[in-house]
Amino acid sequence: QKEVEQNSGPLSVPEGAIASLNCTYSDRGSQSFFWYRQYSGKSPELIMSIYSNGDKEDGRFTAQLNKASQYVSLLIRDSQPSDSATYLCAVRSGGYQKVTFGTGTKLQVIP
Amino acid sequence: DGGITQSPKYLFRKEGQNVTLSCEQNLNHDAMYWYRQDPGQGLRLIYYSQIVNDFQKGDIAEGYSVSREKKESFPLTVTSAQKNPTAFYLCASSPSGGYFEAFFGQGTRLTVV
Repeated sequence: QKEVEQNSGPLSVPEGAIASLNCTYSDRGSQSFFWYRQYSGKSPELIMSIYSNGDKEDGRFTAQLNKASQYVSLLIRDSQPSDSATYLCAVRSGGYQKVTFGTGTKLQVIP
Repeated sequence: DGGITQSPKYLFRKEGQNVTLSCEQNLNHDAMYWYRQDPGQGLRLIYYSQIVNDFQKGDIAEGYSVSREKKESFPLTVTSAQKNPTAFYLCASSPSGGYFEAFFGQGTRLTVV
């Protein structure tokens, strides 16, 4: 079983819609959860971090965490073509500073 | 500007050759990491270091070596023992406190010729 799972996509949404990206993880002891955006050929850029159950909002982005279901999601409101990228879910667990990444979901925002 | 600098951006390696990828950070982060990214496989951890003069193997350390002589620097050597080194290499750093948010350099794309 993969430690961090994401649907590879592509997920296609029309401009202005809400994009919903999902991630599940296997380690119940996981403590920190991150969403990175990666444009083609570029390095990942941290866009959201979440550590406790519930929602965390930052501009058009909302991260949602449900530790009981081992599930973390990212909502992007009013999606723009510039949001088209691969979104990586990352999870930190254990007593050391190791972060495990999912394989990413490719998002396409259609103008 | 604070950040992580990787060099070179592109690197070509001949068969049997060792190459070293540079990673420097001025964020005053204690922890540094090297990841490898292949198409469709996400990021895989090669090595990480929590403090100077100490580092740990990640999931795919075979064929790679690192050093951490200074807090700011964490170079990665891809040795001739690494049979399939063509990939995108990413260096990251994170603080030792808080929630260990990792920030990445711009990456080095290594190609075997």
